[in-house]
Parts: sequence; structure tokens; C-alpha cells
Amino acid sequence: QLQLVQSGAEVKKPGASVKVSCKASGYPFPGHHIHWVRQAPGQGLEFVGWISSNTGGTNYAQQFQGRVTMTRDTTLSTTYMELSRLRSDDTALYFCASVVGTTYDYWGQGTLVTVSS
Amino acid sequence: SYVLTQPPSVSVAPGQTATITCGGNNIGSKSVHWYQQKPGQAPVLVVYDDSDRPSRIPERFSGSNSGNTATLAINKVEAGDEADYSCQVWDPSSDHGVFGGGTKLTVL
Repeated sequence: QLQLVQSGAEVKKPGASVKVSCKASGYPFPGHHIHWVRQAPGQGLEFVGWISSNTGGTNYAQQFQGRVTMTRDTTLSTTYMELSRLRSDDTALYFCASVVGTTYDYWGQGTLVTVSS
Repeated sequence: SYVLTQPPSVSVAPGQTATITCGGNNIGSKSVHWYQQKPGQAPVLVVYDDSDRPSRIPERFSGSNSGNTATLAINKVEAGDEADYSCQVWDPSSDHGVFGGGTKLTVL
């Protein structure tokens, strides 16, 4: 069974960048699209983007284009999400997740990113 | 982009049935999935493809989908069911999932 383990909580100042990692185990790494979904305090789930662990191709939600970069390291079975020019409203719990068909079947534990001056 | 609408909150007494709706334009033509999420935790899939359940999910959880509304029903609600529930569909035009705003289920 696929397991996704994310890096720890981050505190950043406005305008800075943050890079969150998501390590996969228990399943061959290539072949999954790893999605990133965030949840601001008291808000619903919001799609940020996905990366193909196979090809490295990406698909970013329009509202994050220009600020988000997703990469992967196949030797480490790890994907990364970097968000730049952080604002206070980027404060959220960021999840990586693997999609099977059209469902988000496997989730990381979440990484809290706090943006505060 | 496709929009899913959920009520912010639903309250139910223990032992009763909770129903949570998810509205969307002609949502009946799409496959709807439901997630349970407790504070500080990752979502857990409880219903997929409108009405199927993962093997680890109790039979008390069921789903339906028709017209412009999908529904998650939880029979014989227990205190441990208190959580946020979100619906989700796939948007083929953008090739990613779309989530509803979530519904907080309170067990009275």
C-alpha cells in the first residue's frame, strides 16, 4: 500500500518561499500523479497542482501559476512543492495525495505552512 | 470551472440519520466521491463513485447522486462520526479534482 510522508511544519515571512516534500513508499514510484491540495484555516480543500512522478509533467491551478513549482526526484521517490512570494493567505495545511482513477486515495499527513511577519 | 456547493453545517442526534448534500450543475452525470476529515488530519475516502464504499468503511455510510444533487447519508450516527465531510468530482477540462466547501457534521 502506498504511503506518503511529508516534511515538517514551516514558518515563513511574507514574500519568502517554502518548499515542502512528499516521500512515497510501498509502491513503485513512477506511475503516480502526485497532487498537492491545501486547506486554509476553516476553509475547504483547494487543488494546487499535480506532478507526474513518471514524466515530471505538471498541471498547476490557474490561481497559483507563476508562484508554484513542483519537481520530483525519482531516486528518492520524493516530490516537492515550492510556493514563492508567500502571503498571509497562503497559511494553510498542505497535503500531497495520490489519485487512483478520479479519487484521492492516499494522502500524506499534511504540512502546516504559516506565513507571518 | 465546476462549482460544488455544500451546506456549512449539519447537526444530528446520536442514532439518527445525517444527510449531507452536494450541489452542482448536472452533477448526476459525474462520479461523486466523499471524504471525512477530522481536525488536523488528512481526509479519508468514505464513499466513491456515488455509492461505493471502501472495504474499511462501515455500511452505515451510503451515497446517492441524481440530477443536480449528490447526497451522503450516515445511518445510526455515532459521536465518532463528528467531522468535516467534503464532496469531490473530477474536472476533465482541467484534469484535476474539484472539492466542495465542506460540511461540518455535529453530533448533538
